[in-house]
Amino acid sequence: RKEVEQDPGPFNVPEGATVAFNCTYSNSASQSFFWYRQDCRKEPKLLMSVYSSGNEDGRFTAQLNRASQYISLLIRDSKLSDSATYLCVVNLAGNQFYFGTGTSLTVIP
Amino acid sequence: DTGVSQDPRHKITKRGQNVTFRCDPISEHNRLYWYRQTLGQGPEFLTYFQNEAQLEKSRLLSDRFSAERPKGSFSTLEIQRTEQGDSAMYLCASRALSLASGANVLTFGAGSRLTVL
Repeated sequence: RKEVEQDPGPFNVPEGATVAFNCTYSNSASQSFFWYRQDCRKEPKLLMSVYSSGNEDGRFTAQLNRASQYISLLIRDSKLSDSATYLCVVNLAGNQFYFGTGTSLTVIP
Repeated sequence: DTGVSQDPRHKITKRGQNVTFRCDPISEHNRLYWYRQTLGQGPEFLTYFQNEAQLEKSRLLSDRFSAERPKGSFSTLEIQRTEQGDSAMYLCASRALSLASGANVLTFGAGSRLTVL
């Protein structure tokens, strides 16, 4: 079983829409959680960490549900520049980082 | 030091040849990771180093894959007797030691794209 599962999409949404991505993780010992963004043919870059209490960074909100072992990312007021692949990442035992398949988002004018 | 450097950026080789990729991490980062990414998939963890010690290598895809970080600075990933299924992007990432320096953040290089004919 994969450590992290994500719906690959694609999600095609109009500008200004709100879109949500979820992912699940299999190991209850997972310690920390992140969302990375990957543009086409580029390397992944950290978008935001995910904290137990939930956290927000501008139009982006991340949530963690440890009991159900899922992580979510909400993007409000989508911009064209949000088009990318969003990768859910789980950190195990402090040193190992496992990535989901990624969810593809295209924001349409 | 502007980031993680990987070399070569592109490598085309014939099946059966050996290839080696190099990664130069951010200088103050003591942890270094190798990932493989194929089209439509997320990065797949291969191995990681803390300084020169390779602390996890069970995820290396086969015994044809090996990695080294002899002096705790740059690292190499070698693939022996390449197969067409090895065609992928090989990503290196480094990570700081302390939380104050961003220890929870993986900083990736641009990757080395391998094509096996």
